[in-house]
Amino acid sequence: GNSVTQMEGPVTLSEEAFLTINCTYTATGYPSLFWYVQYPGEGLQLLLKATKADDKGSNKGFEATYRKETTSFHLEKGSVQVSDSAVYFCALVYGGSQGNLIFGKGTKLSVKP
Amino acid sequence: DAGVIQSPRHEVTEMGQEVTLRCKPISGHDYLFWYRQTMMRGLELLIYFNNNVPIDDSGMPEDRFSAKMPNASFSTLKIQPSEPRDSAVYFCASSLAFEAQPQHFGDGTRLSIL
Repeated sequence: GNSVTQMEGPVTLSEEAFLTINCTYTATGYPSLFWYVQYPGEGLQLLLKATKADDKGSNKGFEATYRKETTSFHLEKGSVQVSDSAVYFCALVYGGSQGNLIFGKGTKLSVKP
Repeated sequence: DAGVIQSPRHEVTEMGQEVTLRCKPISGHDYLFWYRQTMMRGLELLIYFNNNVPIDDSGMPEDRFSAKMPNASFSTLKIQPSEPRDSAVYFCASSLAFEAQPQHFGDGTRLSIL
């Protein structure tokens, strides 16, 4: 079946450290891939997306590349800030329908000054 | 543009009472979703609507939960009777129909059942 697996948290980093949050997926066909971010006390919001193989999504210094050969969509940022502390969710939509959205379990990131 | 609007932001009530959560989606969006988030179970999809019609309610935990969408600009999620294990943050989200479009979430309703 279709699924999303992302690395367990929590992840704790010092400011300006490099961030990688791993995400792999299983899906039929060619899903669209997303990273959402949830700041404390708020709903999820889109961070970036990619809709076909080799696409790179980027936003606010974060990047992720749609790798079909490894079925991965890892999130990276070269230098994290305290304000990046949040929970990050990897997600996919398959089969052309918004109803077929699957979220990963989320990875909590804490950045210390 | 206004985002997804949920009310109330916080609700504290005693078990056995009826709880009604409200959601106004973004104008023009075709899909509306209700989620529940807890520490133990994470983010769970409860039900979603397409063009005001419920499509999949398999995530609704029990018959105590019901959801309606009487028109394109309003939806409710009701719990009757409420129980302490229903305590969670409930999110509403809306989206356009196309697969590559993201879901837009409200800020949630934090529900505490005493």
